[in-house]
Amino acid sequence: EVQLVESGGGLVQPGGSLRLSCAASGFTFNNYAVSWVRQAPGKGLEWVSALSGSGGSTYYADSVRGRFTISRDNSKNTLYLQMSSLRAEDTAVYYCAKFSIAGNYYYYMDVWGKGTTVTVSS
Amino acid sequence: DIQMTQSPSSLSASVGDRVTITCRASQGISNSLAWYQQKPGKAPKLLLYAASRLESGVPSRFSGSGSGTDYTLTISSLQPEDFATYYCQQYYRTPLTFGGGTTVEIK
Repeated sequence: EVQLVESGGGLVQPGGSLRLSCAASGFTFNNYAVSWVRQAPGKGLEWVSALSGSGGSTYYADSVRGRFTISRDNSKNTLYLQMSSLRAEDTAVYYCAKFSIAGNYYYYMDVWGKGTTVTVSS
Repeated sequence: DIQMTQSPSSLSASVGDRVTITCRASQGISNSLAWYQQKPGKAPKLLLYAASRLESGVPSRFSGSGSGTDYTLTISSLQPEDFATYYCQQYYRTPLTFGGGTTVEIK
């Protein structure tokens, strides 16, 4: 079964840091680009960051560029999102998602994790 | 960035109704459009891609159409499990962008 499982969410103070992880299974992880998508409470979906299968190509939304770093360890089938200088507006459920087409294509996402909640508050 | 505008933002419908949701892009996206369904507290689920191609396992009552800037998601006969929020997403150009969502509620 193809599966993504996020972890690492929690409560953090403004200005703090947090690292999210996403463990992948059931597919050849390094063949696919992967992504983080977030959803603030009661709001819609926002594409945050993406990373190619090799790790050589990254994307960041303007709202997080310079504060968040996406990375992957293909030997551990794990995706990461290092978040720093966190703000109240970063409060959201963070989903890990796999792009549907093998290769370095940022198209549509066919497998999603259940999400991990990040709350930024003092 | 390509802006995606969905309408309506919410609708009320009954089981068996035909439901249509519209997604408009701020520029042409050449059918590079996906639709997702999200139920409360759950992750989004891919329904269609390339504007009209049904993802494996998705019931055939879901269909998509459109071209250029205007696209629609149609549910031919609404079922109880279809009450959810639906999002469109363009992948014609990065950044990938989503519509604001359409919530389908029980009338």
